[in-house]
Amino acid sequence: DAGVIQSPRHEVTEMGQEVTLRCKPISGHNSLFWYRQTMMRGLELLIYFNNNVPIDDSGMPEDRFSAKMPNASFSTLKIQPSEPRDSAVYFCASSLLRLEQFFGPGTRLTVL
Amino acid sequence: AQKVTQAQTEISVVEKEDVTLDCVYETRDTTYYLFWYKQPPSGELVFLIRRNSFDEQNEISGRYSWNFQKSTSSFNFTITASQVVDSAVYFCALSAQGKANSKLTFGKGITLSVRP
Repeated sequence: DAGVIQSPRHEVTEMGQEVTLRCKPISGHNSLFWYRQTMMRGLELLIYFNNNVPIDDSGMPEDRFSAKMPNASFSTLKIQPSEPRDSAVYFCASSLLRLEQFFGPGTRLTVL
Repeated sequence: AQKVTQAQTEISVVEKEDVTLDCVYETRDTTYYLFWYKQPPSGELVFLIRRNSFDEQNEISGRYSWNFQKSTSSFNFTITASQVVDSAVYFCALSAQGKANSKLTFGKGITLSVRP
């Protein structure tokens, strides 16, 4: 069975550029989560969706970050404009409500 | 508010030793779930176990065992006869239910190094 799919796996960009991270959750899962992991702050929840609806975006750092889930099989996390402090590994996870989350392989973002 | 504390930051053991990873949690919810995840050097996060707040039975899976004690708000993880492949960062996480969401609060993680 396919797990959570994320693309790209690595992204290197320059400060000021727009970055779009993509996620395909496990089929049938109705919750989707975006996390960011850094050495300094550990794993942080940015936003999560239930049934394609954003439930809690309190973890989104600032207005430069936005996330969408147009349908049950696709979500994007966009950073515009990107800054060096956005460099991190971004994970997408999905779950069937109230059960364990399954994580994608992550996208390693480097903003120069 | 929810909080997960993993007081140990790094543990180093020699292969075949037993090792226990501690996890203490805080929540005001009476119904909640606890989880352990493993993050090997390759970077992915691997789900290990989920435990419900109303089920205090310990669980054993091969060399892994988990001890859940509500009285001390702890959910500790023991690896018996550790192996080099167990080297990873281990995260404990908490999800308070009772609401229609499954938001996870993670601890800072424990880096386990198993030396041959």
